[in-house]
Amino acid sequence: TQLLEQSPQFLSIQEGENLTVYCNSSSVFSSLQWYRQEPGEGPVLLVTVVTGGEVKKLKRLTFQFGDARKDSSLHITAAQPGDTGLYLCAGANGNKLVFGAGTILRVKS
Amino acid sequence: DAGVTQSPTHLIKTRGQQVTLRCSPKSGHDTVSWYQQALGQGPQFIFQYYEEEERQRGNFPDRFSGHQFPNYSSELNVNALLLGDSALYLCASSFGTAVQYFGPGTRLTVT
Repeated sequence: TQLLEQSPQFLSIQEGENLTVYCNSSSVFSSLQWYRQEPGEGPVLLVTVVTGGEVKKLKRLTFQFGDARKDSSLHITAAQPGDTGLYLCAGANGNKLVFGAGTILRVKS
Repeated sequence: DAGVTQSPTHLIKTRGQQVTLRCSPKSGHDTVSWYQQALGQGPQFIFQYYEEEERQRGNFPDRFSGHQFPNYSSELNVNALLLGDSALYLCASSFGTAVQYFGPGTRLTVT
């Protein structure tokens, strides 16, 4: 069974601080996606990483895929209250996505 | 361009009843996947439909079944509802095995 472990489970920080969320697995994935989900809504795709060692930047968000394609990280610079939400990583395994349990981020103003 | 749509938004059912949830994929997408997200957890894969056939199934009992129509829309049916079936049910569409885009979900409460 493929599992994705995310850490930390919960993060509460002040506006302007930096943070990193980790997503780790013992399995190799063909690609990995990061989603952000707000309460009562579906996950919204942030980025897809495919190549080992790949780094993608989306404004203040930086995503990295591990060289062995087993782990990934999401770094947010100068967090804002609008960044508050549940961050999910998901590994692609053929036709399905395997999700981590998520990291709940709360950014206080 | 409409994204993935799901209906209904919320649903309350009693144990033992049956429920049908509906999903319309994003324009141009031909594949629909269903996920169950319990409170405080990440989504769990139920199954995927492509060309009106179930292509892959997750670790869910036969009480969970589905269907895909010629216009690519899909239904998820759950029979003999249990309290533990209470969750947010998410539909995701894609073109083949490409990136999946999620709908807003249907919140099912079983009492």
